[in-house]
Amino acid sequence: NAGVMQNPRHLVRRRGQEARLRCSPMKGHSHVYWYRQLPEEGLKFMVYLQKENIIDESGMPKERFSAEFPKEGPSILRIQQVVRGDSAAYFCASSPTRGSPGAKNIQYFGAGTRLSVL
Amino acid sequence: GQNIDQPTEMTATEGAIVQINCTYQTSGFNGLFWYQQHAGEAPTFLSYNVLDGLEEKGRFSSFLSRSKGYSYLLLKELQMKDSASYLCAVRSPNQAGTALIFGKGTTLSVSS
Repeated sequence: NAGVMQNPRHLVRRRGQEARLRCSPMKGHSHVYWYRQLPEEGLKFMVYLQKENIIDESGMPKERFSAEFPKEGPSILRIQQVVRGDSAAYFCASSPTRGSPGAKNIQYFGAGTRLSVL
Repeated sequence: GQNIDQPTEMTATEGAIVQINCTYQTSGFNGLFWYQQHAGEAPTFLSYNVLDGLEEKGRFSSFLSRSKGYSYLLLKELQMKDSASYLCAVRSPNQAGTALIFGKGTTLSVSS
């Protein structure tokens, strides 16, 4: 049973280019979360998606960042016109359910995509 | 505001016991998680607490006191492979009830 798969593992972009990060959740999981980890910082929540729906994007920067989770295929985190400050590790997690209060609803993480902006 | 504090670094020797503390101040609480993360790898789930008390799972135990906003992760019979970063995370009861708020992590170094 494959875990959460992210690709690419490493991505190098020049300022102004676009970055596309992909995440395939664990088999049977329909809930996807994206987190960003800056150097010396903890993981920061960005966005929570279900198939074809953005449920919570409260942690997403208002400009240049977008996310989708289509009916078929992986979830995509897209960063347009990248800047040096976007250099970070981007982690995707998935869970089987939405999770009612008190429910464990563990989030399982991928190994991340390390984005470097030159 | 949302704040989760844990020590930046800890060191211990093989076979010893180590306790990693985590204090949190969040606008709500819907469960506390501990993850282990080796350098360059995915965070892996260790434990979950939502009620006060101790949860034990093999060499790892986690404790929660909601009134004190405090948790700890206890690692027994330390092994070299336990050298990793340990992440404390609180689930925020926002609209979706799902987002995890993470501390910066505690880097544990185990020496022989």
